[in-house]
Amino acid sequence: SQTIHQWPATLVQPVGSPLSLECTVEGTSNPNLYWYRQAAGRGLQLLFYSVGIGQISSEVPQNLSASRPQDRQFILSSKKLLLSDSGFYLCAWSVSLGPAYEQYFGPGTRLTVT
Amino acid sequence: SQQGEEDPQALSIQEGENATMNCSYKTSINNLQWYRQNSGRGLVHLILIRSNEREKHSGRLRVTLDTSKKSSSLLITASRAADTASYFCATDRGSTLGRLYFGRGTQLTVWP
Repeated sequence: SQTIHQWPATLVQPVGSPLSLECTVEGTSNPNLYWYRQAAGRGLQLLFYSVGIGQISSEVPQNLSASRPQDRQFILSSKKLLLSDSGFYLCAWSVSLGPAYEQYFGPGTRLTVT
Repeated sequence: SQQGEEDPQALSIQEGENATMNCSYKTSINNLQWYRQNSGRGLVHLILIRSNEREKHSGRLRVTLDTSKKSSSLLITASRAADTASYFCATDRGSTLGRLYFGRGTQLTVWP
């Protein structure tokens, strides 16, 4: 069966510090991968998605970047965190075939920038 | 920007009652999906309804889709305290690239 992991689960970082959040998927090949951010009491905002190794699309301009160094690994990064980067970050995957995509989410990382 | 808008934003009911949540969207779609999120956790997929379907059932869940009104509803019958969660609708905005766009969600509280 497929599983998706995210770490760390929680993170407190000072403004201006770097960030690296990791997401890995097991039990599937060539998945589509997604990073979302959820502000408190809000819906999910799609940040990045990837259809293959090294292929990253950004949905909104921001202080963050994403990379996919391996088929089932997706990394969210920042060189210098802002207060506004605080939130709940969710990674998700979906199969890469067909017009309808159910997405499967990881447990999330709670990031607080102080 | 948010694709869907769920209403109500919050819903509070007693166990055994039915819960109805609505979602409106603005663009054409291939499908619409509903997800559930327990507090502080990831989202769990509940049900997917395609644009050429009008109604779909899964256990105690019933989803309807009206593409002419660009709206969907999620009905949970005979609710339980364990149904307490946030419920989100998501659409693909007509894309086949796998991207989903979520609404702000409805916070459902079911009291025992």
